[in-house]
Amino acid sequence: EVQLVETGGGLIQPGGSLRLSCAASGFTVSSNYMSWVRQAPGKGLEWVSVIYSGGRTNYADSVKGRFTISRDNSKNTLYLQMNSLRAEDTAVYYCARGTVTTYGRAFDIWGQGTMVTVSS
Amino acid sequence: DIQMTQSPSSLSASVGDRVTITCRASQSISSYLNWYQQKPGKAPKLLIYAASSLQSGVPSRFSGSGSGTDFTLTISSVQPEDFAIYYCQQSYSTPETFGQGTKVEIK
Repeated sequence: EVQLVETGGGLIQPGGSLRLSCAASGFTVSSNYMSWVRQAPGKGLEWVSVIYSGGRTNYADSVKGRFTISRDNSKNTLYLQMNSLRAEDTAVYYCARGTVTTYGRAFDIWGQGTMVTVSS
Repeated sequence: DIQMTQSPSSLSASVGDRVTITCRASQSISSYLNWYQQKPGKAPKLLIYAASSLQSGVPSRFSGSGSGTDFTLTISSVQPEDFAIYYCQQSYSTPETFGQGTKVEIK
């Protein structure tokens, strides 16, 4: 079965660090465009970061310099290292696979999400 | 960044109604437009990709149209399981921005 399972969320104080993991099954993470998308409580979806199959990465301005996306090919797992966390980073974090379409990519596989709460 | 604006923000519909949601991009994005459905407490689900292509397994009552800056998601006959929030998303350039969402509620 093709699926993504996120872990690593929790309650963290402002300024702290957290690493999210996203374990994939049924497909190979390193062969795909993989992203993190977040959703603050009661709000819409916000794209956070991407790692391309070739290893290039990109970030939303709101997290650039604080978050790092990476992957472990041997574990078929995607990560998001989050440093210098702020209250506004509080959200459910989803990992998603971007499948190639006729026009760009679409997120066809999503994890169940993991909640990150930044609060003192 | 490309801004995506959906309208309306919410709507009420009865089962069997035809529902139309629009999405406007701040610049031309050709057909680099996807639609998602999200139910409470669940991850988004891909409905339409490349503006008008139906994702496998999605009922044919869902359809998408448009290109350039103006796009539409249509539910031809809304069913009880369709009451949810719908998001458009552009895949033309990074950051791949989403619209603010349209909540479809039962009348």
